[in-house]
Amino acid sequence: DQQVKQNSPSLSVQEGRISILNCDYTNSMFDYFLWYKKYPAEGPTFLISISSIKDKNEDGRFTVFLNKSAKHLSLHIVPSQPGDSAVYFCAASGWSGAGSYQLTFGKGTKLSVIP
Amino acid sequence: DTGVSQDPRHKITKRGQNVTFRCDPISEHNRLYWYRQTLGQGPEFLTYFQNEAQLEKSRLLSDRFSAERPKGSFSTLEIQRTEQGDSAMYLCASTPPKRRQSYNEQFFGPGTRLTVL
Repeated sequence: DQQVKQNSPSLSVQEGRISILNCDYTNSMFDYFLWYKKYPAEGPTFLISISSIKDKNEDGRFTVFLNKSAKHLSLHIVPSQPGDSAVYFCAASGWSGAGSYQLTFGKGTKLSVIP
Repeated sequence: DTGVSQDPRHKITKRGQNVTFRCDPISEHNRLYWYRQTLGQGPEFLTYFQNEAQLEKSRLLSDRFSAERPKGSFSTLEIQRTEQGDSAMYLCASTPPKRRQSYNEQFFGPGTRLTVL
């Protein structure tokens, strides 16, 4: 039972264009959402996050949109650069009872930005 | 501000052996997490510490797994009698205290890649 789903295993985008990565979740208790970027043989690197009380958060080239009613979020990267090529993970957290705010991850989307 | 560090980066062991991994979180981060990532999957939560107290354990954490954080600083994860199914990347993450606005953001180490032969 996957609570966070990234339905696109891979995405290819031309350099300079927009990359849109999508994520769906099922657990209504999630109230904080994060995107991580991961290179092979490295740990995930935090990119951007959004609280459930917002519908948009922007940081430079990265914008995350949250649609609570649809239980859907997306990461937009504009303009895309070759250095953005990596696996992107969507993650969600919420009160667990023990206070851990553990993250539940999707399976990731591999983004390739073509020069 | 140094990041989360993990040691070793790679470990190859034979089935049945015990292994121990270490994680050093970012200083002043009082909350620490262990995750496991297998091929084609996202990281999965294993356990959580607040200071030295282990407050939550996933059902993925079988009896062969034990984690400690004796002084509320570094943490160790031990796997006893390793099995081939334990082969994975073991990731450690830490977060700032809850008084910080960024308290929900987890910062990951580079991971320890375990291969059980």
